[in-house]
Amino acid sequence: KAGVTQTPRYLIKTRGQQVTLSCSPISGHRSVSWYQQTPGQGLQFLFEYFSETQRNKGNFPGRFSGRQFSNSRSEMNVSTLELGDSALYLCASSLLGQGGTGNTIYFGEGSWLTVV
Amino acid sequence: AQSVTQLGSHVSVSEGALVLLRCNYSSSVPPYLFWYVQYPNQGLQLLLKYTSAATLVKGINGFEAEFKKSETSFHLTKPSAHMSDAAEYFCAVSDRGGSQGNLIFGKGTKLSVKP
Repeated sequence: KAGVTQTPRYLIKTRGQQVTLSCSPISGHRSVSWYQQTPGQGLQFLFEYFSETQRNKGNFPGRFSGRQFSNSRSEMNVSTLELGDSALYLCASSLLGQGGTGNTIYFGEGSWLTVV
Repeated sequence: AQSVTQLGSHVSVSEGALVLLRCNYSSSVPPYLFWYVQYPNQGLQLLLKYTSAATLVKGINGFEAEFKKSETSFHLTKPSAHMSDAAEYFCAVSDRGGSQGNLIFGKGTKLSVKP
């Protein structure tokens, strides 16, 4: 079956702009999480959505937001982009979510965001 | 708070040699533990996971890891390295039964394999 699909794969934005990234989870998966990966900070958890509700949130400013639709697809938005937002943004999906269940979490190939 | 420490940001081995990537975790209760691999310009692929069924966990591509509670470790091994194993490897922990169950990742270990 199809894996986690993220679009776009690569994008370049200007400081101050906003960006929306999209994620389609594996069919049947209800949990979608987002992670930011940078060389300096590594992999950091942004937030998790389950059945259209944000269930967990990492330590990121309010410029980072997300949502999940009824078909489990998710989008994340970053407003007022800063140079430091340049990163690989990874989406992950799992059947029931990450909440201490040991569920296998599947990652997409990521969206590479460059802010200039 | 949970944390994961991966010893060695870069490990280099010869083709055919043993691969050993180290991971230590900090958690008040035995957590769920995962190893992921990331090839250049790709996302993360799950190698294996520990959920308490067995302390020795076998994964894909010939990798395995052993959970040692006394040492709070979950080291990843492979008896014989292949060139195709060159990638970055991440150890991750998830709180067992906790509401904040997101994955916490180590900083990663980049594995190089010399011919």
